[in-house]
Amino acid sequence: GQQLNQSPQSMFIQEGEDVSMNCTSSSIFNTWLWYKQDPGEGPVLLIALYKAGELTSNGRLTAQFGITRKDSFLNISASIPSDVGIYFCAGQKIQGAQKLVFGQGTRLTINP
Amino acid sequence: EAGVVQSPRYKIIEKKQPVAFWCNPISGHNTLYWYLQNLGQGPELLIRYENEEAVDDSQLPKDRFSAERLKGVDSTLKIQPAELGDSAVYLCASSQTSSFGELFFGEGSRLTVL
Repeated sequence: GQQLNQSPQSMFIQEGEDVSMNCTSSSIFNTWLWYKQDPGEGPVLLIALYKAGELTSNGRLTAQFGITRKDSFLNISASIPSDVGIYFCAGQKIQGAQKLVFGQGTRLTINP
Repeated sequence: EAGVVQSPRYKIIEKKQPVAFWCNPISGHNTLYWYLQNLGQGPELLIRYENEEAVDDSQLPKDRFSAERLKGVDSTLKIQPAELGDSAVYLCASSQTSSFGELFFGEGSRLTVL
């Protein structure tokens, strides 16, 4: 089953607002990734993080790999309508099975 | 460059019928994954292939699900017989390496079992 807890589960914001979401786990992960899924499509990779404490940006998106290795954060600045979708965090452990585990997603809705 | 191609996009069947999904990964990607995505949930791994070898099939319900990747390129996921609870989206993904989680997903095959 799922090992990652994402919050919030859903967000309703106004266009232009900043967005923050996070992902936590009881286990340590060595890689954290953030994906976005549009309706009827597969998830698309947004940002990958490989080192504890790492802060990485991709345009208006910024993600951080928590120093404890048990959490990650995604921020979106100045939201626009095309940011609508479901955002998934995913973590991968190197020890043992190299399985990528996904959170349950944060659904972002933007009011124009 | 073509992305991950899946077919069919949609499939509606009655329970107890068989169904098969096909996936062609990105050229050169040795690792292929099948994920199950239930409504409102994140993807859950069913099986992972490194070339033609299934290296992680611990989450695959082997009593009714089977998968193959005979030549280490495209792959087929089969369900026989299908049950009502199998209604979901079946996602295929591929990557150049299984070490870093950077997966490329197909559009998915949405299965409805009546």
